Amino acid sequence: DTAVSQTPKYLVTQMGNDKSIKCEQNLGHDTMYWYKQDSKKFLKIMFSYNNKELIINETVPNRFSPKSPDKAHLNLHINSLELGDSAVYFCASSHIPGQSFSGANVLTFGAGSRLTVL
Amino acid sequence: GDSVTQMEGPVTLSEEAFLTINCTYTATGYPSLFWYVQYPGEGLQLLLKATKADDKGSNKGFEATYRKETTSFHLEKGSVQVSDSAVYFCALTRKAAGNKLTFGGGTRVLVKP
Repeated sequence: DTAVSQTPKYLVTQMGNDKSIKCEQNLGHDTMYWYKQDSKKFLKIMFSYNNKELIINETVPNRFSPKSPDKAHLNLHINSLELGDSAVYFCASSHIPGQSFSGANVLTFGAGSRLTVL
Repeated sequence: GDSVTQMEGPVTLSEEAFLTINCTYTATGYPSLFWYVQYPGEGLQLLLKATKADDKGSNKGFEATYRKETTSFHLEKGSVQVSDSAVYFCALTRKAAGNKLTFGGGTRVLVKP
């Protein structure tokens, strides 16, 4: 039933470890995103994929590597975790409006994955 | 680049009080504007949107009007409830910017009974 689901919901790990967060959407959307929310609730886009192709790659350390095996999935792998990576990571999806359509790009968000690096 | 500025919180209100959260934006062209809400422990949900100047978005008693002349999209609700306690995010997208959703810093609202 869940439109955008992320796993795990909570992740506690040691510095230096490698971890992955998975995201799946069943809305038939063509675009998926990863956002990072810091402790002050500030949200910043990290990546966006459209039809499995990377279209947005903000200034993110290359320890973060997104992978989109198909349109419905966008996973986030993080190598050599650092204390500053502790945050809530949100996956989202949308259907990008066509160029001739004046509608807005509305994102549907998952519930978030809280990563704590010790 | 695009940016969104909204008032810092927390905003603390009593039930049935009037709520206003200010939001202004900087963007070229004609962005679409949104308010998203994040309830405690949950992801973000779209609250309302407006896609062109003078449009009014409304939902669950909340309203916001797209004002191009003042580059603003202030959120209002006439009578808040305890269940409105959440963090509210103003945001924009532009097709020319790859439809990236740019958020403001969020405003925490706490409604007390």
